[in-house]
Amino acid sequence: GESVGLHLPTLSVQEGDNSIINCAYSNSASDYFIWYKQESGKGPQFIIDIRSNMDKRQGQRVTVLLNKTVKHLSLQIAATQPGDSAVYFCAENGNAGNMLTFGGGTRLMVKP
Amino acid sequence: NAGVMQNPRHLVRRRGQEARLRCSPMKGHSHVYWYRQLPEEGLKFMVYLQKENIIDESGMPKERFSAEFPKEGPSILRIQQVVRGDSAAYFCASDSTNTGELFFGEGSRLTVL
Repeated sequence: GESVGLHLPTLSVQEGDNSIINCAYSNSASDYFIWYKQESGKGPQFIIDIRSNMDKRQGQRVTVLLNKTVKHLSLQIAATQPGDSAVYFCAENGNAGNMLTFGGGTRLMVKP
Repeated sequence: NAGVMQNPRHLVRRRGQEARLRCSPMKGHSHVYWYRQLPEEGLKFMVYLQKENIIDESGMPKERFSAEFPKEGPSILRIQQVVRGDSAAYFCASDSTNTGELFFGEGSRLTVL
């Protein structure tokens, strides 16, 4: 289930289950959205992106859904694996240049 | 092809000292971005540079912080007279076009005692 921890919200899932991580963005002018994975002590790693002219994009085991009406973004991970355990951030860009605005992050914990 | 290289990975400074963080972008990338991350928070944009030019520094504190990306050599983020609140992870990222994928380095973790 999903819970709010002291700082980062945490999503705990069983290995093999699907995970859904949600993000609300703030700027209605943003036209490019990205999901990043950040493991402890490392830099953010690109997972998948979507432009505002789309509402869904699929990658390998990951799907991003964009709902511009309610300014909501979600990341779906199929068949979650222990290696997926990390903090996931959404980011939005409404500027010229990669000056991204990051969301607060969700910690995904995968139980074997 | 090496990724974005940052050094030092860890830096400890006492209050009032200076911190210099270095970033070499990916080969072929001409844009560098600096972001700051406090514990348990998302990254916050600080500054966007091209060679010899600051394009946008809207996220940089007005005092004590400066950044450069010289014609030769790495980009430098400089923090003068550090205070405890400067303790954070500082990430550098680069891209080849300002609408392309952004690649992040592993970060420099600054601790101010």
